[in-house]
Amino acid sequence: ETGVTQSPTHLIKTRGQQVTLRCSSQSGHNTVSWYQQALGQGPQFIFQYYREEENGRGNFPPRFSGLQFPNYSSELNVNALELDDSALYLCASSPGTSGNVYEQYFGPGTRLTVT
Amino acid sequence: DAKTTQPPSMDCAEGRAANLPCNHSTISGNEYVYWYRQIHSQGPQYIIHGLKNNETNEMASLIITEDRKSSTLILPHATLRDTAVYYCIVRAQGGSEKLVFGKGTKLTVNP
Repeated sequence: ETGVTQSPTHLIKTRGQQVTLRCSSQSGHNTVSWYQQALGQGPQFIFQYYREEENGRGNFPPRFSGLQFPNYSSELNVNALELDDSALYLCASSPGTSGNVYEQYFGPGTRLTVT
Repeated sequence: DAKTTQPPSMDCAEGRAANLPCNHSTISGNEYVYWYRQIHSQGPQYIIHGLKNNETNEMASLIITEDRKSSTLILPHATLRDTAVYYCIVRAQGGSEKLVFGKGTKLTVNP
């Protein structure tokens, strides 16, 4: 059983550019959540996808968007990059819910630097 | 905003028990207490969770007070590899509930 993987590991972009980050969920998991973690802070929830539909969103502007594919992998897209977007971007997958407690399993993250 | 309060940092000697406290005085009846940790430059790792009874697994023990307003994560025999930021999170079970992280407790295990 493979865990959550993310690509790329590191990325450097220029202000105003667009970026796409990718996440492969753990086998059997149909829910993917994305978090942004600024230096010295805890992760902040961006949004969640469940069975290819957005299923909750945090306090992030529309230039943060996402997709989930039929195999439950996911992309995070950020347009018009700003310097404050520099952060570690974490993807977490979970087996969804049927009313039971579940845990989110995190990938190693993508370190984005905007210059 | 995070619903929990944790000390910003703690130290522990290698081989000793590490007891990490968490206050969650506004916890609701259907909310669980979750603990995650994040080792430097890695994603957070699930440790344990509980509702009202004490819980133990291969990584740690979780002690929840009877009024559920606070809890303690116990690492019985801390090792250098347990140096990490530990996050205490409360959330309801199921659904699309996001994990709301605070700043956590930076635990440093010293040789």
